[in-house]
Amino acid sequence: KAGVTQTPRYLIKTRGQQVTLSCSPISGHRSVSWYQQTPGQGLQFLFEYFSETQRNKGNFPGRFSGRQFSNSRSEMNVSTLELGDSALYLCASSLRGQGDGYTFGSGTRLTVV
Amino acid sequence: SQQGEEDPQALSIQEGENATMNCSYKTSINNLQWYRQNSGRGLVHLILIRSNEREKHSGRLRVTLDTSKKSSSLLITASRAADTASYFCATDVNNYGQNFVFGPGTRLSVLP
Repeated sequence: KAGVTQTPRYLIKTRGQQVTLSCSPISGHRSVSWYQQTPGQGLQFLFEYFSETQRNKGNFPGRFSGRQFSNSRSEMNVSTLELGDSALYLCASSLRGQGDGYTFGSGTRLTVV
Repeated sequence: SQQGEEDPQALSIQEGENATMNCSYKTSINNLQWYRQNSGRGLVHLILIRSNEREKHSGRLRVTLDTSKKSSSLLITASRAADTASYFCATDVNNYGQNFVFGPGTRLSVLP
């Protein structure tokens, strides 16, 4: 079965712009989580969606937002991009999100210039 | 500070040797997971061990959990060059088990 698909794979944006990243979870998985990975901060939790509702949120500013659609696909949006937002953004899905293992996508590499 | 901290930060071994990585955490957990990440790619789930379990095996992988010491270890036996990657432990920090906190990782290099 298809894995977690993230698009696009690479993205270059300019400071001040906004960006939308997409994640398609494994079929049947209802929980989608987003993580930011940087060399300095490591993997940091952004938010988790379950059945179209944000269930958990990490410590990121309001410029970072997300949503989940009825087919469980999820998007995250970052507005007013800053240089420090350059990172690998990883999406992970799981069946129920309660003690299940995650399946991660390959990530979107965002570079802000 | 991190909920999970892996130790060592980096490890170099020869093919065929065993590799052991440790993870310590601070608060009570429901479960702990280990993941592998090849350079710049997504994470691959290796093993999930629940708080009431002490040891789990999967192929050449063995994970132990000591909740009294708040620590876990990942052992890779008979390592191969393809095991070269970063290894992360992740602990859940809420009842839903979805707000997982990852440690900084151990960078394993297996030399041929």
